[in-house]
Amino acid sequence: GAVVSQHPSWVICKSGTSVKIECRSLDFQATTMFWYRQFPKQSLMLMATSNEGSKATYEQGVEKDKFLINHASLTLSTLTVTSAHPEDSSFYICSAQHTNYGYTFGSGTRLTVV
Amino acid sequence: GENVEQHPSTLSVQEGDSAVIKCTYSDSASNYFPWYKQELGKGPQLIIDIRSNVGEKKDQRIAVTLNKTAKHFSLHITETQPEDSAVYFCAASSSNFGNEKLTFGTGTRLTIIP
Repeated sequence: GAVVSQHPSWVICKSGTSVKIECRSLDFQATTMFWYRQFPKQSLMLMATSNEGSKATYEQGVEKDKFLINHASLTLSTLTVTSAHPEDSSFYICSAQHTNYGYTFGSGTRLTVV
Repeated sequence: GENVEQHPSTLSVQEGDSAVIKCTYSDSASNYFPWYKQELGKGPQLIIDIRSNVGEKKDQRIAVTLNKTAKHFSLHITETQPEDSAVYFCAASSSNFGNEKLTFGTGTRLTIIP
């Protein structure tokens, strides 16, 4: 089956710094990857859709300059939270799409901004 | 866009009994309906999915039914076990596994009472 690896699993950073989260499809090529944010006891909210080699498509209300997404290869997408603030603290989850396997999710990254 | 509603938000079931979670969707173009199980601090894990050309699908203790006319689909878990305790999300997509995004329901916290 399809496996998506996400790192780090948790990170604590100081307010004003940037944090990068990686999402890798280990055994398949993912032309499309998705980034979600999940607050406690809430559902997954789509932040952006990332296509290999092109600019990400952001959902309404998501600041593209704050949440930088790079999808440089068919197996790697990164999300960088720039100038993080406490309100950016959340659980970030990536998902990769494959023709045969559907949508496979990473294990998530718990970001805490202090 | 697509809107997915999910009920109930919480569900407690005696071990061994059945659990049913229901979802409705709004976009008649949606044709792919996965169900995910999410444990605390982890990413969602696909447990079963169904496409619009099928009315029912079963995998051991888990089954999903789809009524396209009424635009609703349900998850059925039989002979529940303590390890079934988790948050369950339904989702919908007009997916031919191109660029289509998943729209999630609000989630159901299932608790199995030993």
